Amino acid sequence: EAAVTQSPRNKVAVTGGKVTLSCNQTNNHNNMYWYRQDTGHGLRLIHYSYGAGSTEKGDIPDGYKASRPSQENFSLILELATPSQTSVYFCASGDGTGGADTQYFGPGTRLLVL
Amino acid sequence: GQQVQQSPASLVLQEGENAELQCNFSSTATQLQWFYQSPGGSLVSLLSNPSGTKHTGRLTSTTVTKERRSSLHISSSQTTDSGTYLCASRTGKLTFGDGTVLTVKP
Repeated sequence: EAAVTQSPRNKVAVTGGKVTLSCNQTNNHNNMYWYRQDTGHGLRLIHYSYGAGSTEKGDIPDGYKASRPSQENFSLILELATPSQTSVYFCASGDGTGGADTQYFGPGTRLLVL
Repeated sequence: GQQVQQSPASLVLQEGENAELQCNFSSTATQLQWFYQSPGGSLVSLLSNPSGTKHTGRLTSTTVTKERRSSLHISSSQTTDSGTYLCASRTGKLTFGDGTVLTVKP
């Protein structure tokens, strides 16, 4: 069974609307991450978390909030969605062992903001 | 911040040929990870190789930390190897390159 799942898999939102992307992991990993990937580019880190109750800003946090209510769940929230946030969003969990944190990714969520 | 450059941007091979993908990063990394992204978009970790040489199946990764570069060698390519190969280096957080799009023709 998939260890990192995301919902929804596809989302169409209107400009100014609120969007919540959800991620669930059954790896029992402490670390979780949200990335976005624009066409033809690599992944860019938005927010991450070291455990329940913690969230940290990544490289591109503006316009996004994150919530980690439990070990298993990590949400990404767009309070006021804009067309520039149209992208594919990936969640990942990481085992965080030593200085190397091997990350395991969910299937992605395609978000279109009109 | 950390920058990761991958080359070539795209590569077309005939089945059975070998592929050599390159990754250069701007700062000394504590971790260097190679990912495969399928044409459908899913991401899979292939190798984590902060230094030296690692093998798994037909894949060989060589990272020279002092020179801030890593390579991924794919031997005897197959059509199912087609997709995007992403390199990511860690200095605190993972930073990804833009990837190499590999197409293997039958």
